[in-house]
Amino acid sequence: ETGVTQTPRHLVMGMTNKKSLKCEQHLGHNAMYWYKQSAKKPLELMFVYSLEERVENNSVPSRFSPECPNSSHLFLHLHTLQPEDSALYLCASSQEVGSTGWDEQYFGPGTRLTVT
Amino acid sequence: GDSVTQMEGPVTLSEEAFLTINCTYTATGYPSLFWYVQYPGEGLQLLLKATKADDKGSNKGFEATYRKETTSFHLEKGSVQVSDSAVYFCALRFPQGGSEKLVFGKGTKLTVNP
Repeated sequence: ETGVTQTPRHLVMGMTNKKSLKCEQHLGHNAMYWYKQSAKKPLELMFVYSLEERVENNSVPSRFSPECPNSSHLFLHLHTLQPEDSALYLCASSQEVGSTGWDEQYFGPGTRLTVT
Repeated sequence: GDSVTQMEGPVTLSEEAFLTINCTYTATGYPSLFWYVQYPGEGLQLLLKATKADDKGSNKGFEATYRKETTSFHLEKGSVQVSDSAVYFCALRFPQGGSEKLVFGKGTKLTVNP
């Protein structure tokens, strides 16, 4: 595998379910990100991790819980979601996060989530 | 607040037509500017970037020039192909409190017909 991979590619879940999204990067990067892409809205940054430490949380509801066990893996744990949480969830990685030395972000293909 | 505004889509062109997708931004300071492309079923890919005023980013026949005076970064291509059909996102990035923030526009869907 190369680049950034995400599993599953599609997920349908009920509002009472608990599920997790997985992201893996094979680029040796130190920073990873979760984004939400909803129809007709700008891409929204949710979380940023640098060297497994969360450095940004953009007022995301607690029903979304990220986890970064190492610099290559990032999870998004989901529980008691709402229908309006249905969206494409994109993972990305970059070499560094900081006031200098930001490089381009490499995106995975996303997980299409539908909450019923 | 800081934001990016792109022209509303969808945009439909015939092959070999000229493409312009407008992008303007609002930001404090001097951000770096980007165009990302998302092909069907795939994640976003960086298409081109410019880090300071008057810089021109170019890649795969696409170009965009960082215009500070008009706060714009319009994407252009002289002759589009069917394979250019995708969603295009304009974005800006600037330092914020020891971290950096990437702000995206809503995206513009381009369809190129043979």
